[in-house]
Amino acid sequence: DIQMTQSPSTLSASVGDRVTITCRASQSISSWLAWYQQKPGRAPKLLIFRASSLESGVPSRFSGSGSGTEFTLTISSLQPDDFATYYCQQYSSYSPDTFGQGTKLAVK
Amino acid sequence: QVHFVQSGAEVKNPGASVRLSCKASGFIFTNYAIQWVRQAPGQRLEWMGWINAGNGHTKYSQKFQGRVTITRDTSASTVYMDLSSLRSEDTAVYYCARGIWSISTAAYYFDYWGQGALVTVSS
Repeated sequence: DIQMTQSPSTLSASVGDRVTITCRASQSISSWLAWYQQKPGRAPKLLIFRASSLESGVPSRFSGSGSGTEFTLTISSLQPDDFATYYCQQYSSYSPDTFGQGTKLAVK
Repeated sequence: QVHFVQSGAEVKNPGASVRLSCKASGFIFTNYAIQWVRQAPGQRLEWMGWINAGNGHTKYSQKFQGRVTITRDTSASTVYMDLSSLRSEDTAVYYCARGIWSISTAAYYFDYWGQGALVTVSS
């Protein structure tokens, strides 16, 4: 089974900062990775698919990169609306932990 | 626009079953697989299973095999998820979502989600 691990678990940042979240897979998943944003009490929202493809309507300050086992989600200039929890999800194969454990982006 | 409306919150006793519904609109229902994902309090998202809304084929996470059944009513563009033998660890928000299929891996990512339904299992 593929395990997904995100780091850090919590990240404190300020508006305007450039932030990077990392997601690691326990074995290669090629580019079969998606990123989601979730705000408290809300459903997740798709940001990125296939590691680096921006979902329609998502601001261009969000970008994704990586392949194989290491991936990053970058927000180029943090906006107030971006404080949320971010999850990666592999869709290379079915496994119990298809999602990472999440990274909470908090106000510094 | 793609939209899902899920049924409301449920409170169940341990050992009982729950049925949740998810009504879809804004897209051709039978062209997609509808997924169920849950999130226990403070925990990561957890994929449970999907149904191909066109042919009714299902796939379930091994963790829930034997306890979960996903069905659909194409005339109502609605998917149902039944979870039996409930225990306290099943307390969670349950989401339905539209799956986008990767032809290379036969797995899905999720582009639109319902609002979620809280299931509380408590005696």
